[in-house]
Amino acid sequence: QVQLQESGPGLVKPSETLSLTCAVSGYSISSGYYWGWIRQPPGKGLEWIGSIYHSGSTYYNPSLKSRVTISVDTSKNQFSLKLSSVTAADTAVYYCARLVVGTAYYFDYWGQGTLVTVSS
Amino acid sequence: SSELTQDPAVSVALGQTVRITCQGDSLRSYYASWYQQKPGQAPVLVIYGKNNRPSGIPDRFSGSSSGNTASLTITGAQAEDEADYYCNSRDSSGNHHVVFGGGTKLTVL
Repeated sequence: QVQLQESGPGLVKPSETLSLTCAVSGYSISSGYYWGWIRQPPGKGLEWIGSIYHSGSTYYNPSLKSRVTISVDTSKNQFSLKLSSVTAADTAVYYCARLVVGTAYYFDYWGQGTLVTVSS
Repeated sequence: SSELTQDPAVSVALGQTVRITCQGDSLRSYYASWYQQKPGQAPVLVIYGKNNRPSGIPDRFSGSSSGNTASLTITGAQAEDEADYYCNSRDSSGNHHVVFGGGTKLTVL
């Protein structure tokens, strides 16, 4: 069974960089698939942040592209998110998930999510 | 980027059938997928592709598509189906870009 687990600071100061890691178990990232980050501000909907292929190719939401970096570490079977220059608007639950692509694009396995609050 | 539009709220009487829709240009080229999210929980995939259910999803959930509109149908809605439902698809404006609908809150009366 594929499992994903987010980890990282729950509180980040404005203008600093948010950093999260997603540890994957039950499947080797280097075997394939895309891997993504999604966030959900309190009381609001889901927003795709970006995705990465096991080879390292990245795809970012245009609205966040200038501030986002997603990387993969196949040796640790994990991938990471960095979001720079954060503001209160970046306060959200951040999810990592596995992305399947084809005639449909869907996230089949999700982490439990981690709340990141941006506040001084 | 593309957008997917969902009705903010829908209600259904217990045991009746309800359809939740998702509209967007990208749906002319790619199938929508659907997620159920209950308060305080991560989204759960309920329908993907043309009309596929992951293991463990009841067969009262089904999906369909016509033109730029995708639908999630719950036949015989149960109290436990009360949740937020989100559609998603590929964003037609970017390679491997993903877009989500705004979500529909389903109330089971």
